[in-house]
Amino acid sequence: GQQVMQIPQYQHVQEGEDFTTYCNSSTTLSNIQWYKQRPGGHPVFLIQLVKSGEVKKQKRLTFQFGEAKKNSSLHITATQTTDVGTYFCAGPLEGSARQLTFGSGTQLTVLP
Amino acid sequence: DAGVIQSPRHEVTEMGQEVTLRCKPISGHNSLFWYRQTMMRGLELLIYFNNNVPIDDSGMPEDRFSAKMPNASFSTLKIQPSEPRDSAVYFCASSLGQPYNSPLHFGNGTRLTVT
Repeated sequence: GQQVMQIPQYQHVQEGEDFTTYCNSSTTLSNIQWYKQRPGGHPVFLIQLVKSGEVKKQKRLTFQFGEAKKNSSLHITATQTTDVGTYFCAGPLEGSARQLTFGSGTQLTVLP
Repeated sequence: DAGVIQSPRHEVTEMGQEVTLRCKPISGHNSLFWYRQTMMRGLELLIYFNNNVPIDDSGMPEDRFSAKMPNASFSTLKIQPSEPRDSAVYFCASSLGQPYNSPLHFGNGTRLTVT
């Protein structure tokens, strides 16, 4: 069945290093969303990408949607301790009742 | 802006007891979602409502789970009888617009422990 896969599952970085998480779908996505969940918190919407090849930036975060609209990435430049958390991508599941399917998430730890 | 409000924040109950989780979506939002989060299975969609009508409940684990949305400002998720494997964090989320391409606004969640 259709899946949204995310890698890596865990990532430890030193503060100041860059970080990237990747999201892949078995089918074309009409859009992809990214969320961040702090430890003990709830997922918080970060951004939505819709167009093929789209790139969006939020300060140190860069989001990219692949040309084939099957993959996406989130890159954080010069990580800070405030970036700690789990980053999820989410894409719509095809079918008669379409709704978002979340990837398994990448848990980021930033070492000071 | 109050956001999505869930209650209780924590629930500890014994196996076999009935559990009711509550959610108040953001005013004006037309879709409401119930998710369950565990370490093993991640974020799973249980059910979602559009304009108070259940659209997709294929994620509801079994007949022990039921959800209602009697009006646009309130929803419940009930587990009866509860089992230890139901222990998880249950999130309610709401959105405005199409459910598959609109941002979800999550509540703080209910951490359920069934002993």
